[in-house]
Amino acid sequence: KNEVEQSPQNLTAQEGEFITINCSYSVGISALHWLQQHPGGGIVSLFMLSSGKKKHGRLIATINIQEKHSSLHITASHPRDSAVYICAVRVPGNQFYFGTGTSLTVIP
Amino acid sequence: DAGITQSPRYKITETGRQVTLMCHQTWSHSYMFWYRQDLGHGLRLIYYSAAADITDKGEVPDGYVVSRSKTENFPLTLESATRSQTSVYFCASSDRTGRRDGYTFGSGTRLTVV
Repeated sequence: KNEVEQSPQNLTAQEGEFITINCSYSVGISALHWLQQHPGGGIVSLFMLSSGKKKHGRLIATINIQEKHSSLHITASHPRDSAVYICAVRVPGNQFYFGTGTSLTVIP
Repeated sequence: DAGITQSPRYKITETGRQVTLMCHQTWSHSYMFWYRQDLGHGLRLIYYSAAADITDKGEVPDGYVVSRSKTENFPLTLESATRSQTSVYFCASSDRTGRRDGYTFGSGTRLTVV
């Protein structure tokens, strides 16, 4: 049983397309993070959400606490957005559970 | 520069050897974590620490030992390495803020046990 489920597992898009990655979770959370892992392996936190919506450049993240669902959107996608996107939920006690990631490839 | 540093980046060791992976952070984050990342499993928590001298087991702690005598350091020791511990290990640190950079990761250590 996975506490965090992501979809799709793999995604290929043409440059300029609007992209959505979904995350559903089954546990009570204090926050949700969207992480980005580039082919070199480094992981960075893109967003931390506890409610509503956040925007950073071309990236938008939303969360619906009642439905236990979050989405990450990328507008006007670019090849440099190619990476693995990971949804992570922080539970009370400050442990984290992770989705297995969505591998995004943006083709020029 | 503020950040989180892992060492070594790559390590090959033999079955049965003791190995220590180092993690150092300069953010003054109270929480630190060790994860392993394997194909098909995503990131899994090995151990975490809420503060110096406070550590707790995560999802997959067997075969690992941690310590945290200083806030900035959180070493992970494999007491007797096994092939199943071949993995990429990430250290992370966290505070309680809502900032994006309130949860940061090291660059990872790729460990191969032969």
